[in-house]
Amino acid sequence: TQLLEQSPQFLSIQEGENLTVYCNSSSVFSSLQWYRQEPGEGPVLLVTVVTGGEVKKLKRLTFQFGDARKDSSLHITAAQPGDTGLYLCAGTGGGNKLTFGTGTQLKVEL
Amino acid sequence: DAGVTQSPTHLIKTRGQQVTLRCSPISGHKSVSWYQQVLGQGPQFIFQYYEKEERGRGNFPDRFSARQFPNYSSELNVNALLLGDSALYLCASSFLQGTNTGELFFGEGSRLTVL
Repeated sequence: TQLLEQSPQFLSIQEGENLTVYCNSSSVFSSLQWYRQEPGEGPVLLVTVVTGGEVKKLKRLTFQFGDARKDSSLHITAAQPGDTGLYLCAGTGGGNKLTFGTGTQLKVEL
Repeated sequence: DAGVTQSPTHLIKTRGQQVTLRCSPISGHKSVSWYQQVLGQGPQFIFQYYEKEERGRGNFPDRFSARQFPNYSSELNVNALLLGDSALYLCASSFLQGTNTGELFFGEGSRLTVL
């Protein structure tokens, strides 16, 4: 069974701070996706990383896929209240399903 | 264009009852997947259907079943409800069958409470 562990589970920070969320597994994934989910809504895709060592930037968000394709990180620079939400990593191992991580609940306060 | 639509948005059932949840994918999408998300956790894969055939099944009991119709909409059925079935049930659609690089578009979910 493929498992994805995220850390930290909860994160409460002040506006303007930087943060990093980690997503780790003992399994290799073909690709890894990051989603953000807000209350009452479904997850929304932020990025897909495919190549080991790949780094993608999306404005203030930086995503990295580990060299061995077993782990990933999400770094947010100068967090804003609008970044508040549940961040989920999800791995694909080929086939038809996503294996979601345990989630990181982020709260950014003024 | 309409996104993935799910109904009902909220429902309350009692133990032992049966529930049917419905999902309409984005127009043109032929794949529908169902996920269960328990409060505070990540979604867990239940089923995937592509071109009206089951293409994947997660680790859920036989009380869970699904089907996809010719118009690519889908229903998820859960029989003999247990308290532990209380969760947000998410439907996701995609154009392709595989998920390696394709994007899944999620609906807002159906919040099921079992009393």
